[in-house]
Formats: sequence, structure tokens, C-alpha cells
Amino acid sequence: GDSVTQMEGPVTLSEEAFLTINCTYTATGYPSLFWYVQYPGEGLQLLLKATKADDKGSNKGFEATYRKETTSFHLEKGSVQVSDSAVYFCALSDPVTRNQFYFGTGTSLTVIP
Amino acid sequence: GAGVSQTPSNKVTEKGKYVELRCDPISGHTALYWYRQSLGQGPEFLIYFQGTGAADDSGLPNDRFFAVRPEGSVSTLKIQRTERGDSAVYLCASSSTDRRTEAFFGQGTRLTVV
Repeated sequence: GDSVTQMEGPVTLSEEAFLTINCTYTATGYPSLFWYVQYPGEGLQLLLKATKADDKGSNKGFEATYRKETTSFHLEKGSVQVSDSAVYFCALSDPVTRNQFYFGTGTSLTVIP
Repeated sequence: GAGVSQTPSNKVTEKGKYVELRCDPISGHTALYWYRQSLGQGPEFLIYFQGTGAADDSGLPNDRFFAVRPEGSVSTLKIQRTERGDSAVYLCASSSTDRRTEAFFGQGTRLTVV
């Protein structure tokens, strides 16, 4: 069945460091891929998405490219800020069945000044 | 409203009691999802509605859990004979008919069974 595996945390970085959070997926069809973010005390928010192979999603300086050949959707940011401290979730959705969104276990990021 | 609204935001109940959690999705969204999130974990799928019908309830853990969406808008998740293991944040999300769009999540209801 469909599933998402993401890099375990927690991750601690200094401000302005480069961030990569790995995400790989298993899917029977051609899923849409998402990164959600959960800031402390807040609900899940969509960060970015990509709906087909080779698409790049981007938002707030974060980027992720849908790589069908490696079944990956790694999240990157060139220079993190303290305000990026949050939990990041990789997710996929099968556009045919749409019966659910499959989430990874989340990666906690803490950025220190 | 502008977003998905869930009430109550917090619920404390005694073991064995019945609880109802409400979700008001974004207007016009036909797809509605319930998820459960335990501390340090990702959201765990419970049930999916397309319109008024439960299109997929494979994530409901047992028959103590039930959800309805009688008019295709507001949904209620019902838990009978609550157990301490039911303590979690219950998330509701809605999505439009466009099959490639994301799900929009509410703030969740934190359920604590004592």
C-alpha cells in the first residue's frame, strides 16, 4: 500500500544553516506529494506541494522536487531562521482514490540563534 | 468560515463516557477526513467522507468509533465507552473536488480520557 518514510529527528541547526529533511514514498500510482508544517501550538499547515514528476514545490524559501526515479520528495532550505522551528510532515495523496492522505511520522526542527 | 473549525478545542472526559467531536469544513469542500495524532507521531487516518457517505472507514480502530456527516457539511466523530488510550488530538481536514489539491486542517480537538 501507499506509505511515506521520512527522516527521523530531532534536528537542531544554527541560524543560516542549510536544511535537508529526507522523504521517500511508496505508491501504486502517481501520487501528489506535500510537505506540511506544524508550528508550536498551531495546527497543520500546507508548506508546499507537487502534483507530478519533476515538479518543484516552493514556499517561504523551502523547496522540494518530486523525483519519481528515486521516489523521493526531500525538503530543503538554504538558510534557516529561528522562526522555522517546527515539526515537518511529508505526505502523499493518491489522486485516483483520494481516500486518505498518508503522513510520515514528522521531523522536529529546532533552529538556534 | 475561512477555515476548518473544530469544537471543542479541548475535552476532558472520564473513562467509559461518550464524547462527540465536531468539525465544520470549509464551505463547498466535499471531501472530509478525520485523523488522530498522538504525541510525537504523524496524523493517523480514521475515516474519509465524500459528500454524506463514508467512502473509507478503514482507519477506525474499533466499533466504539463512529462518524457521521448527514448533510454533507458538518461532521461529528463519536466515541463510545472512552478508554485512556483514546487520548490524542483529533484532527479534521477538508478538501475540494479537485483531486490534486491539498487537505486543509483544523486546529484539532485535544481529547483527554482520565
